[in-house]
Amino acid sequence: GAGVSQSPRYKVAKRGQDVALRCDPISGHVSLFWYQQALGQGPEFLTYFQNEAQLDKSGLPSDRFFAERPEGSVSTLKIQRTQQEDSAVYLCASSQQGQTYEQYFGPGTRLTVT
Amino acid sequence: KQEVTQIPAALSVPEGENLVLNCSFTDSAIYNLQWFRQDPGKGLTSLLLIQSSQREQTSGRLNASLDKSSGRSTLYIAASQPGDSATYLCAVRPGSSWGKLQFGAGTQVVVTP
Repeated sequence: GAGVSQSPRYKVAKRGQDVALRCDPISGHVSLFWYQQALGQGPEFLTYFQNEAQLDKSGLPSDRFFAERPEGSVSTLKIQRTQQEDSAVYLCASSQQGQTYEQYFGPGTRLTVT
Repeated sequence: KQEVTQIPAALSVPEGENLVLNCSFTDSAIYNLQWFRQDPGKGLTSLLLIQSSQREQTSGRLNASLDKSSGRSTLYIAASQPGDSATYLCAVRPGSSWGKLQFGAGTQVVVTP
């Protein structure tokens, strides 16, 4: 594909429900990142994958957050038992392997927990 | 811990004026710095990437400088247009990380016709 895609674009969940957010990175990109962006703030790092390996999950706010990338391509961010404070935009980014490459972002998924 | 600050938080200029956006960071051990644009309800669009060994990057009306030793970067947008209205974010890639970006809170820019 031409860019990073994410689905759904909008998600409304009742408190306590589980949600799954999908990210399709740019084809061939080894690195994949998830970020969380609260209203009026810059994105905050959640987790990082290199191919299928989750190398950094230090930003996941609680054990209710779980991410996977089983075949090294599509990634899913799952949030269990959603809380109101989980309401945010979840952004996915991908890049080529290496520290010098720029990250390309998807349009994000806006999650609202009611 | 790396802190990234963007001042001002908001900026309004008349069309045609040059824009100057500032970004500062506390730890100079970075791989690179990236400037992004974000339109309301949209994702981030990469504008410029400056490697730690570079002093500046240019793309069209955009120019970004980097002074790593003083922890500063400046984004210049020449001859602003109403279409430049957006939030501009800077992000550093810390040298100690796998590649995660550390973002500032952004500068919201409005260019009035």
